[in-house]
Amino acid sequence: AQTVTQSQPEMSVQEAETVTLSCTYDTSESDYYLFWYKQPPSRQMILVIRQEAYKQQNATENRFSVNFQKAAKSFSLKISDSQLGDAAMYFCAYTSPPKLVFGKGTKLTVNP
Amino acid sequence: NAGVTQTPKFQVLKTGQSMTLQCAQDMNHNSMYWYRQDPGMGLRLIYYSASEGTTDKGEVPNGYNVSRLNKREFSLRLESAAPSQTSVYFCASRSGTDYGYTFGSGTRLTVV
Repeated sequence: AQTVTQSQPEMSVQEAETVTLSCTYDTSESDYYLFWYKQPPSRQMILVIRQEAYKQQNATENRFSVNFQKAAKSFSLKISDSQLGDAAMYFCAYTSPPKLVFGKGTKLTVNP
Repeated sequence: NAGVTQTPKFQVLKTGQSMTLQCAQDMNHNSMYWYRQDPGMGLRLIYYSASEGTTDKGEVPNGYNVSRLNKREFSLRLESAAPSQTSVYFCASRSGTDYGYTFGSGTRLTVV
């Protein structure tokens, strides 16, 4: 079965600095998708970034970028120029449809 | 606005009571999902429906039943609620074209 591991239950960063959240996954599939979701206190699940496994180029969305290492099955999220509004739970997720599997999450605190 | 609508947003049940959580999407997605979220556990899949007329068990199906009423609606039923089912429940649907997942705003269920 596919599994997703986030080894950092909590992380903190100073405002304007950079932080990296780690994620590893286990799969025997060759074609799949990876996601990072943000969950603020409102509990809404917000898609931050997605990566197709067949694409070698790392995905970027403004201040958010990923380091996708397919052979190592690693998918880390880098947040640059951290803002107070980035404080939230972050979940790494994997899908080779139909199922979407989540890691246990990393709580990110942003200090002013 | 297009999206996934869950009702109710909050519910308190007594042990042994039954209830149905409703979910509807208006994006013409084929696949729909029910997750539960518990502290430190991430989101765990309860049941999913890959297409209208089909349902399958996820990681934690015990104590739950589902119905895919039509393409738009996917309900989750607790026949005899237990305190262990206290959780936040999310419904989601998936696009078949870009594998984008859309989540509802969640239902906070407390069983006393």
